[in-house]
Amino acid sequence: DTGVSQNPRHKITKRGQNVTFRCDPISEHNRLYWYRQTLGQGPEFLTYFQNEAQLEKSRLLSDRFSAERPKGSFSTLEIQRTEQGDSAMYLCASSLLRATQETQYFGPGTRLLVL
Amino acid sequence: KQEVTQIPAALSVPEGENLVLNCSFTDSAIYNLQWFRQDPGKGLTSLLLIQSSQREQTSGRLNASLDKSSGRSTLYIAASQPGDSATYLCAANSGYSTLTFGKGTMLLVSP
Repeated sequence: DTGVSQNPRHKITKRGQNVTFRCDPISEHNRLYWYRQTLGQGPEFLTYFQNEAQLEKSRLLSDRFSAERPKGSFSTLEIQRTEQGDSAMYLCASSLLRATQETQYFGPGTRLLVL
Repeated sequence: KQEVTQIPAALSVPEGENLVLNCSFTDSAIYNLQWFRQDPGKGLTSLLLIQSSQREQTSGRLNASLDKSSGRSTLYIAASQPGDSATYLCAANSGYSTLTFGKGTMLLVSP
């Protein structure tokens, strides 16, 4: 297993269209996170799953955003009716919660451009 | 609400210099603190994780320290190389498993 993978790596869409991103975590990792990063900023937390349960959602995650992790494996992040302000890098991370040790491993990201 | 600040925002040094990157956080009740590296247009690579009970962690030429009481962490890079050029991000885990990131320090090491 080579790490967290994300697809697609780049997505260009027109305002108002729906887009879906996929994240495949490191196998055996029980936690999966989504972050959003805009230019010159650090990543901002969006949501996370423990196995298939979505445990927390940021207030940044408007009702146009939905995330799923069926069967506790891969995850999808869908953005409906995209807006230009959604343009950003969407990062996925996974971790294995073990007592007090939890290092998050990040994927390469999906860069979204909304025209 | 946790806030993380990184200073300086950008740093340019000649190859071979030792350097220190600074990170401060407002809520000292952290679970751990993690340092990442990000190359342009890429994802994040984890460098070091310091548990709240630890004072420092080392990996090769990198040493990260943590002072919870003052809300500070530093990343020390010894004998810098051009390949170290990247943006370095610190992130605080306040116990809810989500990370709060700083904006990063963009490092350029010139040959």
